[in-house]
Amino acid sequence: KAGVTQTPRYLIKTRGQQVTLSCSPISGHRSVSWYQQTPGQGLQFLFEYFSETQRNKGNFPGRFSGRQFSNSRSEMNVSTLELGDSALYLCASSLEPPGSSYNSPLHFGNGTRLTVT
Amino acid sequence: DAKTTQPTSMDCAEGRAANLPCNHSTISGNEYVYWYRQIHSQGPQYIIHGLKNNETNEMASLIITEDRKSSTLILPHATLRDTAVYYCIVRDSGTYKYIFGTGTRLKVLA
Repeated sequence: KAGVTQTPRYLIKTRGQQVTLSCSPISGHRSVSWYQQTPGQGLQFLFEYFSETQRNKGNFPGRFSGRQFSNSRSEMNVSTLELGDSALYLCASSLEPPGSSYNSPLHFGNGTRLTVT
Repeated sequence: DAKTTQPTSMDCAEGRAANLPCNHSTISGNEYVYWYRQIHSQGPQYIIHGLKNNETNEMASLIITEDRKSSTLILPHATLRDTAVYYCIVRDSGTYKYIFGTGTRLKVLA
């Protein structure tokens, strides 16, 4: 079974531009979440989607947004890029929705490394 | 804030067991403990999770204390490829968020 796939793997953008990152979850997984990883802040939760609905959101400004499609694939968008947005963006999928009693673990992709210059 | 605390770093000799501790003193009765590891430039890799019973899989064993306030991840025969940052996580039962702490940087020495 293929793992979580994130594209592109690397991205270089200029301050003020916007960027869209893509994530394809493991087949059959309907929950997708996004994380930002930086050396200073570590892994920080961005948002989580299930059945095309945002179920959870972290403490990030409105420039960060996401969506999920009917096939469970997800995209996240960052508008008006700032230098501080340079990070590894990780997508994770899981079998069960938030709050499920089954507690399925997250399975992560290898991320998109975004550099803002 | 993360609900777990872990040592910043540990060393382990190759071939020996690596025992990674984690404290989660505020854990609630229905919250699971998850372990992940991250090798440089890759996404975190799921290792194991448990509620209150000890768990074992092909990668590791998880020992959870009876009061559930701490746990230990055991890699029975550490190899150089086990060098990574290991994260112990308790998923918040109210928000359902996984909050990552700073993890333990394990270095396996030849």
